[in-house]
Amino acid sequence: QKEVEQDPGPLSVPEGAIVSLNCTYSNSAFQYFMWYRQYSRKGPELLMYTYSSGNKEDGRFTAQVDKSSKYISLFIRDSQPSDSATYLCAISGAGSYQLTFGKGTKLSVIP
Amino acid sequence: DGGITQSPKYLFRKEGQNVTLSCEQNLNHDAMYWYRQDPGQGLRLIYYSQIVNDFQKGDIAEGYSVSREKKESFPLTVTSAQKNPTAFYLCASSIGGRSNQPQHFGDGTRLSIL
Repeated sequence: QKEVEQDPGPLSVPEGAIVSLNCTYSNSAFQYFMWYRQYSRKGPELLMYTYSSGNKEDGRFTAQVDKSSKYISLFIRDSQPSDSATYLCAISGAGSYQLTFGKGTKLSVIP
Repeated sequence: DGGITQSPKYLFRKEGQNVTLSCEQNLNHDAMYWYRQDPGQGLRLIYYSQIVNDFQKGDIAEGYSVSREKKESFPLTVTSAQKNPTAFYLCASSIGGRSNQPQHFGDGTRLSIL
């Protein structure tokens, strides 16, 4: 079983829709959870960072962590065409230098 | 503006040639990282450095070398021993080399074989 699983998509939604992106992980020692957005031919940009179970909101973005189920989600409300990108989850354990990345989900928001 | 600058944006390598990718940061971050990104695969760690004059191998270090002589610079050399170098290379940095410090990325260098 891979350490981090992420559905690669592609995912296509109409403008204004609520988008749900998800990752599952296998190692219960993971404690830090990040979501990155990557536009084509660009580097990943940090969107959300959290280390506890529950929800964290930032504008149209909400990160959700369920440690008991080893499941993390990113919700995008009122999606815009500018949200079209690949979204990467990244997870790390306490005291570890290394991030484990999901393979990314490609999202297209259609006007 | 603070950030991470990678150069060149595109690079071509001939057979048997070593090439060096540049990464410079002005964020005053201690830790720096090099990743390789291939289509359909997640980012894979090549090397990382938590402090000047010190670096460690990541998961796929074979065929690569690095140096860390200055805090702001972490160049990556792709040697001729790397038989499949075509990929998108990403440099990142963080305040410290621990998991509770998120990593910030440059805009990458795309390396291709001539």
